[in-house]
Amino acid sequence: GAVVSQHPSWVICKSGTSVKIECRSLDFQATTMFWYRQFPKQSLMLMATSNEGSKATYEQGVEKDKFLINHASLTLSTLTVTSAHPEDSSFYICSARVSRHNEQFFGPGTRLTVL
Amino acid sequence: AQSVTQPDIHITVSEGASLELRCNYSYGATPYLFWYVQSPGQGLQLLLKYFSGDTLVQGIKGFEAEFKRSQSSFNLRKPSVHWSDAAEYFCAVGEDNAGNNRKLIWGLGTSLAVNP
Repeated sequence: GAVVSQHPSWVICKSGTSVKIECRSLDFQATTMFWYRQFPKQSLMLMATSNEGSKATYEQGVEKDKFLINHASLTLSTLTVTSAHPEDSSFYICSARVSRHNEQFFGPGTRLTVL
Repeated sequence: AQSVTQPDIHITVSEGASLELRCNYSYGATPYLFWYVQSPGQGLQLLLKYFSGDTLVQGIKGFEAEFKRSQSSFNLRKPSVHWSDAAEYFCAVGEDNAGNNRKLIWGLGTSLAVNP
């Protein structure tokens, strides 16, 4: 089956620093990748949708200058949390899809803790 | 606006008992419906999906779901629960967003506990 990896699986950083999270589709080419945020005991909140080679589409209320998304290749998308603050602490999940008619395959998530 | 409701936040069943997790959706057109399971330390895994055709959908791990348009429901069922089924279950509906990327709208999830 299709496998999506995320790196790192968890990260702790100081307030004010930037953190980059990688999302890779290991055995397929993903034309579209999605980034989600999940708070404890809550559902997934879509942050942005990115297509390879183009700018990401952000959901309403998500700061694009704070959450930088790059989808440079068909197998890699990155999410950079810039100038992280404690309120950015969360579980970040990516997913990847071959085409709009296909299901999304999810990565295992990255736990971010900002001190 | 599209929405997904999972009325049960937490359910506890005994191992071997039957299970039904409820999901109701609000969507104007024919929905694309999904059930995912999330276990600690693992990524979300697709259990089953409904796009069209037979309204009773079979999935992995012995799960099935039935699409009922008249009730706007897509309930997940399993005849006999195993201890390993303890996890968080999410229902989702796919909708087209700008650029036809079909994003998923998620329910809040149902946490399933299984008693031995």
